[in-house]
Amino acid sequence: NAGVMQNPRHLVRRRGQEARLRCSPMKGHSHVYWYRQLPEEGLKFMVYLQKENIIDESGMPKERFSAEFPKEGPSILRIQQVVRGDSAAYFCASSARTGTADNSPLHFGNGTRLTVT
Amino acid sequence: AQTVTQSQPEMSVQEAETVTLSCTYDTSENNYYLFWYKQPPSRQMILVIRQEAYKQQNATENRFSVNFQKAAKSFSLKISDSQLGDTAMYFCARKAGGTSYGKLTFGQGTILTVHP
Repeated sequence: NAGVMQNPRHLVRRRGQEARLRCSPMKGHSHVYWYRQLPEEGLKFMVYLQKENIIDESGMPKERFSAEFPKEGPSILRIQQVVRGDSAAYFCASSARTGTADNSPLHFGNGTRLTVT
Repeated sequence: AQTVTQSQPEMSVQEAETVTLSCTYDTSENNYYLFWYKQPPSRQMILVIRQEAYKQQNATENRFSVNFQKAAKSFSLKISDSQLGDTAMYFCARKAGGTSYGKLTFGQGTILTVHP
């Protein structure tokens, strides 16, 4: 049973380019979360999605960032016109919907390290 | 803002010894969930242990145990018989109760180094 798969593992973009980060949740998981980890900091929540729906995007920057989780295919975090401050590790996590969903653990991917030059 | 604070940026311990990592948090809720995650150099986030706030008994997972002090809003992690493979960054995290999704608030992390 494959875990949460993120690709690419490393992504280098020049300022002004677009970055697309992909996440395939664990099999059977329909809840996807994106977190960002800046250097020397803990993870910060960005967005929570279910299939075709954004449920909570309270941690997303207002501009240039968007996320989707289509009916078919992986979840995508898209950053337009990247700037140096976007350099970070971006983690995707998934969870299953269970009867006691409050303590369902998050399963994290290995992250995508974005470097903006 | 409801925060999670890890006051020890770095800790070190000798192999086979015991080490305790501290974590305090701020919340106005009565029901919530607490976690410790381990992040080795590979960057993978690994769940170490979790605690439900309404349970008084401290959680344990093999060599890992917690000291949960609800009134003090403290949630420390004790690692017994430390092993070289325990070297990693450790994050404390909190999740609000009453919601059915994984919006975690993380602390800043503690770098743990286990010396041979």
